[in-house]
Amino acid sequence: KAGVTQTPRYLIKTRGQQVTLSCSPISGHRSVSWYQQTPGQGLQFLFEYFSETQRNKGNFPGRFSGRQFSNSRSEMNVSTLELGDSALYLCASSLASRGTQYFGPGTRLLVL
Amino acid sequence: AQSVTQPDIHITVSEGASLELRCNYSYGATPYLFWYVQSPGQGLQLLLKYFSGDTLVQGIKGFEAEFKRSQSSFNLRKPSVHWSDAAEYFCAVVFSTTSGTYKYIFGTGTRLKVLA
Repeated sequence: KAGVTQTPRYLIKTRGQQVTLSCSPISGHRSVSWYQQTPGQGLQFLFEYFSETQRNKGNFPGRFSGRQFSNSRSEMNVSTLELGDSALYLCASSLASRGTQYFGPGTRLLVL
Repeated sequence: AQSVTQPDIHITVSEGASLELRCNYSYGATPYLFWYVQSPGQGLQLLLKYFSGDTLVQGIKGFEAEFKRSQSSFNLRKPSVHWSDAAEYFCAVVFSTTSGTYKYIFGTGTRLKVLA
């Protein structure tokens, strides 16, 4: 089976812009979770989607949003980018919310 | 509140030496437990997991971990470290929430340096 894929791998944006990141889970996985990873804060949970429904949400401002499509692919969007949004954004998929999460390689976002 | 603690931010060992990375959690019940490894600029790779049963679990790359309920710990061990083990290691715990869903919480990570 193909692993979790994330596009794009690298992205450079400027403050105030918006960005959309994409994640394709492992085939058959219905749960997709997103994390933000920064050197200072570690891995911070953004949200989890299961069968197109957001099941859990972390403590991030409303500028961070996501969605999941019927084929389980997921996107996350960050509007009005700030310098502090520069991070590695990781997507993980699993069969169920409680199951083993398998991670993609991440999207490295740099906000200038 | 549920939490996961990795007390060691950095650990340096010599190649061939043994390794133990600590992980403690705070939770009223037995959670699902995981160890992941991350090489620079990469995603996280699963090393091993514990759901139930035998408290000593074997993983990939020669790693093992032991669940100790009395200590709320899930420490990762390797008898002989290789230079390629240099990476960052994350302990993760899955808790049930009050709304009946589940949430992953990751520790802050332990960065392992291996001396030749």
